[in-house]
Amino acid sequence: NAGVMQNPRHLVRRRGQEARLRCSPMKGHSHVYWYRQLPEEGLKFMVYLQKENIIDESGMPKERFSAEFPKEGPSILRIQQVVRGDSAAYFCASSPPGTGFYNEQFFGPGTRLTVL
Amino acid sequence: SQKIEQNSEALNIQEGKTATLTCNYTNYSPAYLQWYRQDPGRGPVFLLLIRENEKEKRKERLKVTFDTTLKQSLFHITASQPADSATYLCAGQETGANNLFFGTGTRLTVIP
Repeated sequence: NAGVMQNPRHLVRRRGQEARLRCSPMKGHSHVYWYRQLPEEGLKFMVYLQKENIIDESGMPKERFSAEFPKEGPSILRIQQVVRGDSAAYFCASSPPGTGFYNEQFFGPGTRLTVL
Repeated sequence: SQKIEQNSEALNIQEGKTATLTCNYTNYSPAYLQWYRQDPGRGPVFLLLIRENEKEKRKERLKVTFDTTLKQSLFHITASQPADSATYLCAGQETGANNLFFGTGTRLTVIP
């Protein structure tokens, strides 16, 4: 059973470009969470999605950031017009249906975004 | 503002000893606390979850406690091994909340 997959593992963008980060949850998991980890800081919750629904986006910046989890295919975290401050590791996690944060979350290896 | 603090940024211990990591929270009332291990360049890996009505949880060489009076969780690794060297993250969740709130982690080094 493959774990949570994220791609790309490393992404370099110039200021003003768009970044698209992909996350395929574990087989059978229908809950997806995105977190951001800045250097020397803890993981910060961004958004919680279920298939075709955004459940909680309280951690998402109001502008330039969006997330989706379509019926088919991976979850996408999209950052438009990237700035240097967006440079960070972005982690995706998943959990099975019928659970939320009350059970363990399975994390992917992360995408390291560097904005030049 | 809400805080989860892991007050040791780094902890070095001798192999075979018990490592004790601390997680304190302020302006926050987690119903659950979770502990994760994170190795460099990798995603966190779940270790243990403890509920606020549980005093203690064990799993092999790991033990976690939850003291709602002291607003603190302790994470113990007994008979520590160099392979236990990693960053350990504490995360809380309030009842009805969707988000996990992480501390900044403690980097543990077990010296052979």
